[in-house]
Amino acid sequence: AAGVIQSPRHLIKEKRETATLKCYPIPRHDTVYWYQQGPGQDPQFLISFYEKMQSDKGSIPDRFSAQQFSDYHSELNMSSLELGDSALYFCASSSGTSGPNEQFFGPGTRLTVL
Amino acid sequence: DAKTTQPTSMDCAEGRAANLPCNHSTISGNEYVYWYRQIHSQGPQYIIHGLKNNETNEMASLIITEDRKSSTLILPHATLRDTAVYYCIVRPPGWGSARQLTFGSGTQLTVLP
Repeated sequence: AAGVIQSPRHLIKEKRETATLKCYPIPRHDTVYWYQQGPGQDPQFLISFYEKMQSDKGSIPDRFSAQQFSDYHSELNMSSLELGDSALYFCASSSGTSGPNEQFFGPGTRLTVL
Repeated sequence: DAKTTQPTSMDCAEGRAANLPCNHSTISGNEYVYWYRQIHSQGPQYIIHGLKNNETNEMASLIITEDRKSSTLILPHATLRDTAVYYCIVRPPGWGSARQLTFGSGTQLTVLP
């Protein structure tokens, strides 16, 4: 079965640079979530989109922005990168119309900021 | 969303059942209990969810107490590949919305050979 695709899988950036992470949800899933997991920490919710509209916002820095496109893929844009942004970034998708809408996670993008 | 409490870690012998408890004493009437797991540095994996009845799928069984204040995830025949952090999460259903998952500390399950 098709799964959530994230690209790139690994990314190395310098401080103050920008990064763009991409997420391709499972086909027919209309909802996308972004989570950040720092070293030794549990995943933390950043932001979500339902039907291309921002739905919920968590602890996402103002330096980060995201959007969901007409084909339901999503991009997380990160500017003025800091050392503390080094983390695993997971995207998850779900079908917003399927009741409890369990979320299916991608393999993650490992961002390293030097 | 209701808060959950799980043991920090548990061990289980390979081939035996792993029973992972979760307390959620402040759960509301419309909140579901979800279980996810995360194998080291991989994306969290959905396991099972339930509202009030016991549930079973190909991965696990979920037993929810009658008062819904606690639940137990059962992996009937644990294998080494089940070693992971297991998260119990309580939240309302997400019809027509994008409700996030709030991950607590979870239980590190180690399956021993």
